[in-house]
Amino acid sequence: QSVLTQPPSVSGAPGQRVTISCTGSSSNIGAGYDVHWYQQLPGTAPKLLIYGNSNRPSGVPDRFSGSKSGTSASLAITGLQAEDEADYYCQSYDSSPNWVFGGGTKLTVL
Amino acid sequence: EVQLVESGGGLIQPGGSLRLSCAASGFTVSSNYMSWVRQAPGKGLEWVSVIYSGGSTYYADSVKGRFTISRDNSKNTLYLQMNSLRAEDTAVYYCARGRGKKTTSWFDPWGQGTLVTVSS
Repeated sequence: QSVLTQPPSVSGAPGQRVTISCTGSSSNIGAGYDVHWYQQLPGTAPKLLIYGNSNRPSGVPDRFSGSKSGTSASLAITGLQAEDEADYYCQSYDSSPNWVFGGGTKLTVL
Repeated sequence: EVQLVESGGGLIQPGGSLRLSCAASGFTVSSNYMSWVRQAPGKGLEWVSVIYSGGSTYYADSVKGRFTISRDNSKNTLYLQMNSLRAEDTAVYYCARGRGKKTTSWFDPWGQGTLVTVSS
């Protein structure tokens, strides 16, 4: 059971827009801690996609965007491409210290 | 180029010990805070441990008292000593550099991962 809740799967056709939600609580996202997103292609390590809620590292296409509100965050992908098919994870901070992740969302490009 | 390369994984019997290594290049391990994150087969990501630049260490409750994180500044390498291993420790173990302020931090880059299988 992951601390942050994500839908297990989402899908979309090429060119469409999809969103992935990430829901936390008052001890993590709701406490004001930033949300970050990672893309994990099959058989590879996670790769940073979005940091600080909405910032893209250099090299990440602007088709990817992030937002945060209250105890939730979202990742949006526009102009869906076949190469976007991957697992996506959100991450934030909780107490202790303790970094927490969502359970992951599998994106299928139809 | 900033890079992390893990090694040391393998098949180990329950109750056994294993030490993972993570060699860094392109940056100095001791000047950053470094974490281990694991991923059980077919499952999500789980933070395991962190070592701060000042040397403080912290662990997830699931590994506290059994795992020890450390670093060798002369080798620019991070380690994870894993003792009293259990079947539920079976996972790919990634090392990752922490970025940003501690409570708002993210992980970048990640190593390629090393598989630890605990089984008799």
